[in-house]
Amino acid sequence: DVKVTQSSRYLVKRTGEKVFLECVQDMDHENMFWYRQDPGLGLRLIYFSYDVKMKEKGDIPEGYSVSREKKERFSLILESASTNQTSMYLCASSFLDRAGNTIYFGEGSWLTVV
Amino acid sequence: GDSVTQMEGPVTLSEEAFLTINCTYTATGYPSLFWYVQYPGEGLQLLLKATKADDKGSNKGFEATYRKETTSFHLEKGSVQVSDSAVYFCALIDQTGANNLFFGTGTRLTVIP
Repeated sequence: DVKVTQSSRYLVKRTGEKVFLECVQDMDHENMFWYRQDPGLGLRLIYFSYDVKMKEKGDIPEGYSVSREKKERFSLILESASTNQTSMYLCASSFLDRAGNTIYFGEGSWLTVV
Repeated sequence: GDSVTQMEGPVTLSEEAFLTINCTYTATGYPSLFWYVQYPGEGLQLLLKATKADDKGSNKGFEATYRKETTSFHLEKGSVQVSDSAVYFCALIDQTGANNLFFGTGTRLTVIP
């Protein structure tokens, strides 16, 4: 089974703190993604990466950065956390096979910024 | 651009009732279609998928058929259980474009005993 692991399920941080959300996948997938999920807004793509050291902005990259130094690990960084970044963050990875791309998700990280 | 539209919820059903959650899509290329399920407090789990027209995806009693003529991928289950209570997301990847996943807004299903 594909395993996407997010390091923290629940975090509480103060405004202005630097926050790291870590994600690891164990299936050698090329593509990795960070989404945030908010009530009434669904899932929105923050950043994605299609290879080591490569990154692309998604729909809402402002206030975030990412790092992909190793293929299996994709980190989301909040340089200076703000209350409007309180949300559930979902990491995902995908691979391309004969049936096309399939995306698999981690269990999510609930971040509260106070 | 690509998009997914799914029926708004919430949907409340009695146990053993028939379930349909409608999903239609717009895509410029040749998308693969997916249903994901999210149980309370958890991430999204892949429920089923279909990669080309007329394919039927199925899992755990759920089914969905890729209908190119109606651009639809409706989710169905013949007899729901309380444990099926969750939020269901329809999604697509346009395989000829970027690797991004386009989601519907989700439909919350509650099954009562």
